[in-house]
Amino acid sequence: GAVVSQHPSRVICKSGTSVKIECRSLDFQATTMFWYRQFPKKSLMLMATSNEGSKATYEQGVEKDKFLINHASLTLSTLTVTSAHPEDSSFYICSAATQLRTGPQPQHFGDGTRLSIL
Amino acid sequence: DQQVKQNSPSLSVQEGRISILNCDYTNSMFDYFLWYKKYPAEGPTFLISISSIKDKNEDGRFTVFLNKSAKHLSLHIVPSQPGDSAVYFCAATISGNTPLVFGKGTRLSVIA
Repeated sequence: GAVVSQHPSRVICKSGTSVKIECRSLDFQATTMFWYRQFPKKSLMLMATSNEGSKATYEQGVEKDKFLINHASLTLSTLTVTSAHPEDSSFYICSAATQLRTGPQPQHFGDGTRLSIL
Repeated sequence: DQQVKQNSPSLSVQEGRISILNCDYTNSMFDYFLWYKKYPAEGPTFLISISSIKDKNEDGRFTVFLNKSAKHLSLHIVPSQPGDSAVYFCAATISGNTPLVFGKGTRLSVIA
């Protein structure tokens, strides 16, 4: 089946550090990638949608200068949390989607990145 | 306003019995629905989906039913196994390539 790889799985770093998270679709070309954030005991909240080669679309309340998204190819998207602070500590998950002529295809998710800012 | 609702935060079922997880939605534009299974500290794993042109889709022990008039879908797992214990998320989208809108999840516990 389709596989999405997310790296790193866990990051612990000091306040003020910038952290980059990679999301790769391993066996299909993802026309669109999504970045989600999950708070404890809450559902996944969409942060941004990125299409290959164009600027990401951010959800209301998500700071685009703080959460930099790059989708340089059909198999790779990156999320950089700039100057991270303790309130940015969370579980970040990416998903990748493609559209076929046969109809919609399920999004497949990476295993997530647990970010802890001290 | 929550567009996708899973009103049962948890469900316990005995091994071998049927598990029924329910989901309601409010946006009539949704035309593609998915169920994901999630373990702690992992990303969601896709289970099964259904397009709005169908009312049932079956894959092994998993069956999803869609009632468009009631804006309701359900996931049936039969027979339930202890390994099915996880949080199940219902999700909906428009035309498949737009962001998924998730419910809050239902924690299923299958008791041996």
